[in-house]
Amino acid sequence: GAGVSQSPSNKVTEKGKDVELRCDPISGHTALYWYRQRLGQGLEFLIYFQGNSAPDKSGLPSDRFSAERTGESVSTLTIQRTQQEDSAVYLCASSLGDRDVNEQFFGPGTRLTVL
Amino acid sequence: AQSVTQLGSHVSVSEGALVLLRCNYSSSVPPYLFWYVQYPNQGLQLLLKYTSAATLVKGINGFEAEFKKSETSFHLTKPSAHMSDAAEYFCAVSNTGFQKLVFGTGTRLLVSP
Repeated sequence: GAGVSQSPSNKVTEKGKDVELRCDPISGHTALYWYRQRLGQGLEFLIYFQGNSAPDKSGLPSDRFSAERTGESVSTLTIQRTQQEDSAVYLCASSLGDRDVNEQFFGPGTRLTVL
Repeated sequence: AQSVTQLGSHVSVSEGALVLLRCNYSSSVPPYLFWYVQYPNQGLQLLLKYTSAATLVKGINGFEAEFKKSETSFHLTKPSAHMSDAAEYFCAVSNTGFQKLVFGTGTRLLVSP
């Protein structure tokens, strides 16, 4: 089946604008994750969903960041009042969920540039 | 708190040479450890994972990694590099296996003819 998809692939916005990033996980995957990859750095965890609930949102850097998931499927990451330091590649991953060790499958990412 | 250290942001090898990418971890509980690869303009792909079943783990594309608890290491190796191995490699740790991954900063592998 299809892998994890993300849209848009690229987003350029002006400082202070709000942006929405979308993730479509693999069908049947109950767990969904958002990560951020800044230039030259590793992946930074943002939030984890199990179903539509978010038991771990410890990585969200500020209250400008929020995420939701509906229908145990699509997730949206929203960044309000964007700042230049928000520029990064935002990666979404999905997995089978709270079972034994399972693989996270990653999407291609959304490259966000804040001018 | 968990953390991962990858020594060397860039590693250069010749085609056919041994590949060794280093990863050290810190975890307060027995860890689950992963190596992911990111090819240019592509998403991350799992190479291999350690789940405590065996200390030597074999992955795809001829890569393997050995878990050494005494050294808190999980280094990635491949006996003979191929040009197609040029990519960025990330080591990651998880304390449950199904929740968040904590990643290292990555090592870019360069392979020369």
